[in-house]
Amino acid sequence: AQSVTQLDSQVPVFEEAPVELRCNYSSSVSVYLFWYVQYPNQGLQLLLKYLSGSTLVKGINGFEAEFNKSQTSFHLRKPSVHISDTAEYFCAVSLNTGNQFYFGTGTSLTVIP
Amino acid sequence: GAGVSQSPSNKVTEKGKDVELRCDPISGHTALYWYRQSLGQGLEFLIYFQGNSAPDKSGLPSDRFSAERTGGSVSTLTIQRTQQEDSAVYLCASSPPGQETQYFGPGTRLLVL
Repeated sequence: AQSVTQLDSQVPVFEEAPVELRCNYSSSVSVYLFWYVQYPNQGLQLLLKYLSGSTLVKGINGFEAEFNKSQTSFHLRKPSVHISDTAEYFCAVSLNTGNQFYFGTGTSLTVIP
Repeated sequence: GAGVSQSPSNKVTEKGKDVELRCDPISGHTALYWYRQSLGQGLEFLIYFQGNSAPDKSGLPSDRFSAERTGGSVSTLTIQRTQQEDSAVYLCASSPPGQETQYFGPGTRLLVL
């Protein structure tokens, strides 16, 4: 069975500080990995995705994530956050043999001025 | 272009009533997903449609939940005899052929009194 774990439910961070949002998954088969962001009162939008190739993936708004197969992780990072990054962040996996997606419970990032 | 749209944006109903939630996917997208997002929870997969294939209903929580997709486009999620625990945001997403990325609608916020 597949599952996604986001250990940090809430992450407060000061403006211009770096941030890392953690995501671990379990799967016995190859997966695709995604990070989605949900701004207040808005729908989810894709930040970045890993399908294959380079394990370091760059996304929108200066975010990046690194796929680590041995640690089954796909942590999201940003070197310097802005107030506008305050949002809920969801990690998701899908099997590369199908289309069902599994989402984590989300991490609420709050950027403090 | 137009994104995924959902209606209504908010729905308040009384326990025991039936509700219908509508999703209009992006034109040309063959895959359509329904999720439920409860307070403090991640996204819970409900049902998945792919083209003309039989839907994957494995995520529907009970037989009170059903969904259909007419003409490979618009989808309706129906909840019969609503219960208070059905209160949540119901999200719809669609994907184009051969792509893994999901495009989410803004959701329908359902409140069962």
